[in-house]
Amino acid sequence: DGGITQSPKYLFRKEGQNVTLSCEQNLNHDAMYWYRQDPGQGLRLIYYSQIVNDFQKGDIAEGYSVSREKKESFPLTVTSAQKNPTAFYLCASSKTGYAFFGQGTRLTVV
Amino acid sequence: AQSVTQLGSHVSVSEGALVLLRCNYSSSVPPYLFWYVQYPNQGLQLLLKYTTGATLVKGINGFEAEFKKSETSFHLTKPSAHMSDAAEYFCAVTRPSGAGSYQLTFGKGTKLSVIP
Repeated sequence: DGGITQSPKYLFRKEGQNVTLSCEQNLNHDAMYWYRQDPGQGLRLIYYSQIVNDFQKGDIAEGYSVSREKKESFPLTVTSAQKNPTAFYLCASSKTGYAFFGQGTRLTVV
Repeated sequence: AQSVTQLGSHVSVSEGALVLLRCNYSSSVPPYLFWYVQYPNQGLQLLLKYTTGATLVKGINGFEAEFKKSETSFHLTKPSAHMSDAAEYFCAVTRPSGAGSYQLTFGKGTKLSVIP
């Protein structure tokens, strides 16, 4: 079945560490997105990519980095520069305007 | 620019009562409109969408929404709430932004509680 896979589902990070969240899709979609979700704040766009080897910053890109080396994959790295990384992270892909979402990764700083 | 406003961050209804979740949008071009549902610790699932054509659209789980251009609204309704409808609901708008890409904007969400 086609879909989007995010891993891991739960992730714990120590202060000062970088961590990478995985997002893979087999829907043959060109566009992929990363959102951060905090209670009461809806979805905020971190980065998006419309094509391989190209990506753009969203509204809250500081402290995050991404790569798009393959059409299927769009990993997100949460760097130590992100001061408040505890949140629920959602990856999505899109071809005709509406987005398909993964099941999310819950990141907690310990 | 485009934006989405969902009225009410939390809505409570009794089981069997009408569900009405409000969404207003702004867009400089004819939009595509969507409602998504999110259950705890899960991703978002598409409920229904409006792109063109009939302004009353039906989705999964008995939900429907009506696109009203004059009111810039896309409210979500369900005649009779079920306990399983308790979730968070997001309205979204998108429009083409050139070269086959789309700009997708979400509202802040409305958490629906269903009282037995």
